[in-house]
Amino acid sequence: ENVLTQSPAIMSASPGEKVTMTCRASSSVSSSYLHWYQQKSGASPKLWIYSTSNLASGVPARFSGSGSGTSYSLTISSVEAEDAATYYCQQYSGYPLYTFGGGTKLEIK
Amino acid sequence: QVQLKESGPGLVAPSQSLSITCTVSGFSLSRYSVHWVRQPPGKGLEWLGMIWGGGSTDYNSALKSRLSISKDNSKSQVFLKMNSLQTDDTAMYYCARGYGNQYYFDYWGQGTTLTVSS
Repeated sequence: ENVLTQSPAIMSASPGEKVTMTCRASSSVSSSYLHWYQQKSGASPKLWIYSTSNLASGVPARFSGSGSGTSYSLTISSVEAEDAATYYCQQYSGYPLYTFGGGTKLEIK
Repeated sequence: QVQLKESGPGLVAPSQSLSITCTVSGFSLSRYSVHWVRQPPGKGLEWLGMIWGGGSTDYNSALKSRLSISKDNSKSQVFLKMNSLQTDDTAMYYCARGYGNQYYFDYWGQGTTLTVSS
C-alpha cells in the first residue's frame, strides 16, 4: 500500500499570506495520478486539483499544485478567508488501490 | 447536471449488515465508475471500493471480505453492502463518480451517516 503523509496536519495563516502544504508518498506516484480535494466543515469533498497541477473547474487561480515522484505540494499564493478547509491528497498507484492522505486543516486567522 | 445521492438506514446494530444506495443522475452508470468512500467522525477519507461501467468491481483489500458493490444501470443506482458491522464502521459514507484513466473522483454525493450502536 502506498501511504500518503500530509504535513502539517494543521496550519494557520493570515489573509494575504502564501501557504504551502505537502503530501509525501511512501512509494513513487505518477504525477498523472496525484490529486487534491477540498473539504469544508460539514460538506462533501470537492475535486480541487487533478493530476498534480490542473485546477478543477471553478478553483481560483491563487491555487497551484506541483511535485513529482514521492513529493507533492499545494500552494495558495494569497490566502483568503474562504480557503479555510481541510485539503486531502489522493493517489492511484496500482491495481486496485486508491489512498488518501490524512489531510491538512487550514485555518485563517 | 451530474448528481449523486446516498440513502441508508442511519443506525445499525453491531454484527448486523448495512445496505446503502447511491442514486445518480446526469450521467450513465454504463459509462462511468462509481466509488464508495467513508469518513469516520473527525477523521480522514478511506476508499472502500468501486464498480466499473462494465460491472466489474474492485475493493479495498482491508475490507474486501465484508464488502459487496453492485448496481442497476436501468435505475441509475449503485449499492454498497457491508456485513459484520462494528462500532468503528460508524462514519459518513459517500459515493463518488470516477473519472476515467486519471483515477480521481470528480463528483461526490452529500453522504449518508451511519452509526453502529446497540
